[in-house]
Amino acid sequence: AQSVSQHNHHVILSEAASLELGCNYSYGGTVNLFWYVQYPGQHLQLLLKYFSGDPLVKGIKGFEAEFIKSKFSFNLRKPSVQWSDTAEYFCAVNAYGTDKLIFGTGTRLQVFP
Amino acid sequence: DTEVTQTPKHLVMGMTNKKSLKCEQHMGHRAMYWYKQKAKKPPELMFVYSYEKLSINESVPSRFSPECPNSSLLNLHLHALQPEDSALYLCASSQGTAGETQYFGPGTRLLVL
Repeated sequence: AQSVSQHNHHVILSEAASLELGCNYSYGGTVNLFWYVQYPGQHLQLLLKYFSGDPLVKGIKGFEAEFIKSKFSFNLRKPSVQWSDTAEYFCAVNAYGTDKLIFGTGTRLQVFP
Repeated sequence: DTEVTQTPKHLVMGMTNKKSLKCEQHMGHRAMYWYKQKAKKPPELMFVYSYEKLSINESVPSRFSPECPNSSLLNLHLHALQPEDSALYLCASSQGTAGETQYFGPGTRLLVL
């Protein structure tokens, strides 16, 4: 069965610090990969996605993620965080051709001014 | 436009009540989903509708009954719920069901007394 691991449960940073959130999945076949963000009191929004092609994908608000197939990883990065990035971040994986989107446990990011 | 709307925003119901949650999208998407999200947890898939037919039921108790009247609407009928069913219920839609990007609504926050 597929599973998604996010090892950082709670990350606290100061503004302008760099961010990297880990995401690992377990599935041997082709996958589609997503990062979603949930700002306080708001709904889940898509940050970025990887389906195929260049393993380095860029998303909204300066976020990027790199798919490393050999490591089954899809880590999220941002070179300089802002207070407004405070939110819950979810990595999600979908086995290609299936309906089921499996979410990781989420990482709560707090950014202090 | 990537909007999925859900009504009501909040719902309080007793264990003997019958209520319904509604979800609507006008993006021409052919797949729609119901998720349940408990506080500080990731969304958990409940049901998937593909081309208005139920394709996945994740062993959800029968007190939850989904309905897809047409390709734009998705309902979740609730009856005889338990307090532990209190959660945020999220609706999502996607163009198709081959692992495509899912767009989420704001959710209905349900409290069962």
